[in-house]
Amino acid sequence: GAVVSQHPSRVICKSGTSVKIECRSLDFQATTMFWYRQFPKQSLMLMATSNEGSKATYEQGVEKDKFLINHASLTLSTLTVTSAHPEDSSFYICSAAGWGKTLYEQYFGPGTRLTVT
Amino acid sequence: GENVEQHPSTLSVQEGDSAVIKCTYSDSASNYFPWYKQELGKRPQLIIDIRSNVGEKKDQRIAVTLNKTAKHFSLHITETQPEDSAVYFCAASIGDTDKLIFGTGTRLQVFP
Repeated sequence: GAVVSQHPSRVICKSGTSVKIECRSLDFQATTMFWYRQFPKQSLMLMATSNEGSKATYEQGVEKDKFLINHASLTLSTLTVTSAHPEDSSFYICSAAGWGKTLYEQYFGPGTRLTVT
Repeated sequence: GENVEQHPSTLSVQEGDSAVIKCTYSDSASNYFPWYKQELGKRPQLIIDIRSNVGEKKDQRIAVTLNKTAKHFSLHITETQPEDSAVYFCAASIGDTDKLIFGTGTRLQVFP
């Protein structure tokens, strides 16, 4: 499968600050990147869809001004959590989708655990 | 809206037995159904997937079946091993887009 990296893997920040998370597809060009949020022992919840060079599409209930997404190239998307609050603490996972050898597939990054104090 | 239900939420089996996890989806236009395995604190890993033009797919000890009429799809793991212990998520595409809706997950425990 494809290799997707995410940085940082863990971050602790103070309430009110902003945090940027990077997602990179290392060995293929991702036409689309997705950002998910996962609470402990729960499923993955899609937050937004990011296409290179265009504005992200946010799912219902996700604040676009709070979760800023930039998809500058076919290999890099960033999620910035602005003015973070303790309730934003979660596991954030990106995935990169694109054409693999024969099929259109989606691969996940290792995730970023955000803790807001 | 679109919905994916997954059962059971937990499943315990003895090593060597089979495990079956079932999902149902609501969007009749869904055409892609992947299964992911997630170990604690790690990324979901794609283990098998199936597209709507196929009824069954097998990869060694893992198989997936799809019943489009009933909007059901299932994961079958045979000859389970302790290293199969993890949380498994099914997912369905939203229509023919590349967006996925995930099931609620099944925690599989394989006892030696």
